[in-house]
Amino acid sequence: DIQMTQSPSSLSASVGDRVTITCRASQSISSYLNWYQRKPGTVPKLLIYAASSLQSGVPSRFSGGGSGTDFTLTISSLQPEDFATYYCQQSYRTVFTFGQGTKLEIK
Amino acid sequence: EVQLVESGGGVIRPGGSLRLSCAASGFTFDDYGMNWVRQAPGKGLEWVSGISWNGGTTDYADSVKGRFTISRDNAKKSLYLQMNSLRAEDTALYHCARRAHDGNGFYYFLDFWGQGTVVTVSS
Repeated sequence: DIQMTQSPSSLSASVGDRVTITCRASQSISSYLNWYQRKPGTVPKLLIYAASSLQSGVPSRFSGGGSGTDFTLTISSLQPEDFATYYCQQSYRTVFTFGQGTKLEIK
Repeated sequence: EVQLVESGGGVIRPGGSLRLSCAASGFTFDDYGMNWVRQAPGKGLEWVSGISWNGGTTDYADSVKGRFTISRDNAKKSLYLQMNSLRAEDTALYHCARRAHDGNGFYYFLDFWGQGTVVTVSS
């Protein structure tokens, strides 16, 4: 199976900061990479698909980049509602795999 | 409105079996592949299994292969997960999720998720 590794595992930041989370695949996955946000008590929310396409309704401060094995999720200006855990997920194969998650906390 | 409602979770002893169900509404069920994703207490998301729109293709994570079976009934708009030989490490919140694709049909993603059902494996 394709392994996905996120870094960092946790991150402290302040409202207004620019934040970048990285995700690395164990083999090339082209642009078959999705990003999700999960807040406690809620279901995961799709943010980005195909590495850089913004899901409908997601604020434009979220952006995704990369291809091959290295990917990024960037939040341009953190808002209070953005403090959550973020997961990458590959869809290169229909045996999906998630990264271990990055917990974004308030500094 | 898309809705996915899971049921069937509970407390079960190691080695036991459980069948989860997911009732879908608000969309054409047999147009979409479906998946199960779980989250153990204090852990991250783990993809468990997926099934194509007609049930013709199924996939499993290595951690559940040979023990879990995914299936669907398009007439009933329902997804199932038969879980056998359960282990303590299967304890988790289990979500069903719809697998959608982009307009060109190349890229898959999980765009709607149910609230989940809790499975606890304990003696």
